[in-house]
Amino acid sequence: NAGVTQTPKFRVLKTGQSMTLLCAQDMNHEYMYWYRQDPGMGLRLIHYSVGEGTTAKGEVPDGYNVSRLKKQNFLLGLESAAPSQTSVYFCASSRRDRPHEQYFGPGTRLTVT
Amino acid sequence: EDQVTQSPEALRLQEGESSSLNCSYTVSGLRGLFWYRQDPGKGPEFLFTLYSAGEEKEKERLKATLTKKESFLHITAPKPEDSATYLCAVPRESGYSTLTFGKGTMLLVSP
Repeated sequence: NAGVTQTPKFRVLKTGQSMTLLCAQDMNHEYMYWYRQDPGMGLRLIHYSVGEGTTAKGEVPDGYNVSRLKKQNFLLGLESAAPSQTSVYFCASSRRDRPHEQYFGPGTRLTVT
Repeated sequence: EDQVTQSPEALRLQEGESSSLNCSYTVSGLRGLFWYRQDPGKGPEFLFTLYSAGEEKEKERLKATLTKKESFLHITAPKPEDSATYLCAVPRESGYSTLTFGKGTMLLVSP
């Protein structure tokens, strides 16, 4: 099993550009999450999904959109990137009955210039 | 207001020098406390779940304990491979299935 994979691993964007980060999991987990991690701020939840076709806002959702069209995939979109969105983005997934035992992907390092 | 506070921010130990990391929380009605380990350049990895005061969990050189106000991660006779950032987390008050993480303690164990 590959676990949780994220694409791409690195990306550089210019202010105003858009992009989509892809997260895939092969553990048949119901729940999926997107976090960002910044120095001094720790991990912060952006959006999450408790099932196919459903999404919800986390702690820092502004400037991001998500979609969960398939159970195994969770997409994070930036419509108009800003320098404040420079960060490392982590995707995670979990079972419905153990939502706090989350399996994380390797991360995507995004730089917005 | 931060719900989860970890201390110290960084800790340097010599191999074999035992110590403890602290995680204090301010949520009312704790519904679990969770420890993760994060290696540089990687995503966090789940370690322990603690649900009630007095509960303890162990894994190799790590032991996690929980009181009504805080949790400790005790590291006994650490080795260099224990070097990592240790994160604790509690369920968010606005969404039980989601977590609020502390900022972590960066542990460096020197040989």
